[in-house]
Amino acid sequence: GAVVSQHPSRVICKSGTSVKIECRSLDFQATTMFWYRQFPKQSLMLMATSNEGSKATYEQGVEKDKFLINHASLTLSTLTVTSAHPEDSSFYICSASRDSGANVLTFGAGSRLTVL
Amino acid sequence: DAKTTQPNSMESNEEEPVHLPCNHSTISGTDYIHWYRQLPSQGPEYVIHGLTSNVNNRMASLAIAEDRKSSTLILHRATLRDAAVYYCILRDVGNYGQNFVFGPGTRLSVLP
Repeated sequence: GAVVSQHPSRVICKSGTSVKIECRSLDFQATTMFWYRQFPKQSLMLMATSNEGSKATYEQGVEKDKFLINHASLTLSTLTVTSAHPEDSSFYICSASRDSGANVLTFGAGSRLTVL
Repeated sequence: DAKTTQPNSMESNEEEPVHLPCNHSTISGTDYIHWYRQLPSQGPEYVIHGLTSNVNNRMASLAIAEDRKSSTLILHRATLRDAAVYYCILRDVGNYGQNFVFGPGTRLSVLP
């Protein structure tokens, strides 16, 4: 089955530093990956759509200069939280589709970011 | 995405069947019905999907109404490990760039 690996699973950083989260499709190629953010007791909120070889598409209200997304290959997308602040502390989740069939999405296990 | 509505929460006893409903009255002919669940502190996990016919897999069954305006996810014997938030989502077949829009889902509690 399709597997999406997300790394790191947990990260703690100091305010003002940058953090990179990787999302890899291990056994399939994904031209599109999605990045979500989830606060405690809330549902997933889409941040951006990552497109291989082109710029990401950001949802309204998401700062593209703060949340840098790079999708350099068909199996890797990265999310960099720049100049992190405590309010950026959240659970970040990526997902990818095999681009075939019934359009099933496979999700990573998530990355919990804590900014001190 | 066409909108889906689900109850906010449901409760079940362990080893009893659970029926989780989902309404999607504005579903289009090319929309697949997907169900995912999210266990605490994990990413969502695929459960099942279907288009028109009822579907069964090792995790659950999906019963789709004849007019496709509603569906029911059936867990045949709930276990404590099934306690999660269950999301019902519609996906347009072939539109692989389409994102998933998550509603609040149904929080299932399983009582021992």
